[in-house]
Amino acid sequence: EAGVAQSPRYKIIEKRQSVAFWCNPISGHATLYWYQQILGQGPKLLIQFQNNGVVDDSQLPKDRFSAERLKGVDSTLKIQPAKLEDSAVYLCASSLSGANEQFFGPGTRLTVL
Amino acid sequence: EDQVTQSPEALRLQEGESSSLNCSYTVSGLRGLFWYRQDPGKGPEFLFTLYSAGEEKEKERLKATLTKKESFLHITAPKPEDSATYLCAGPGMNYGGSQGNLIFGKGTKLSVKP
Repeated sequence: EAGVAQSPRYKIIEKRQSVAFWCNPISGHATLYWYQQILGQGPKLLIQFQNNGVVDDSQLPKDRFSAERLKGVDSTLKIQPAKLEDSAVYLCASSLSGANEQFFGPGTRLTVL
Repeated sequence: EDQVTQSPEALRLQEGESSSLNCSYTVSGLRGLFWYRQDPGKGPEFLFTLYSAGEEKEKERLKATLTKKESFLHITAPKPEDSATYLCAGPGMNYGGSQGNLIFGKGTKLSVKP
């Protein structure tokens, strides 16, 4: 069974630029999550989708971050404009439904200069 | 505020030297406690879910246990390939049904030397 796919794996941008990350969850998983993991910390949930609807975006900095899951499968996370403190690994995870084990992709390491 | 605290932050063991990692939580009405393993440059890999005090689960050299206030990850006779960061996560306030927000601890970085 294929796992969660993410791209790109690495991205370096200047502050105030924009960037987008892509995620393809495990086939059949209705729930998709985006997490931010700062070096030395555990992952922090940014947004959760159930199919193509948002379930929880309470910790998403909505002035600069946006995410969508238009057809209930793939998802994109966008940052515009980026700040230095956005340097982190952005992890995508999926699960069969909300209260089940979550399976993570390899992450995208973002460096903002 | 719900919190998950892991200790120690780092642990260095000799191959074969058994030890335990601790995860304490202040989540009320616990509805699951999760353990993950994370290797450098990779996403977390699911290990265990524990739902009730007294529950235990095992996988190879790892055994996870749960009490009312904390969980332990016991590592028996570890090998160098067990070196990784071990993350513990508890459910956020709205966890359940369609809500899956997990609160992660900072992790314990385990190094096993041959």
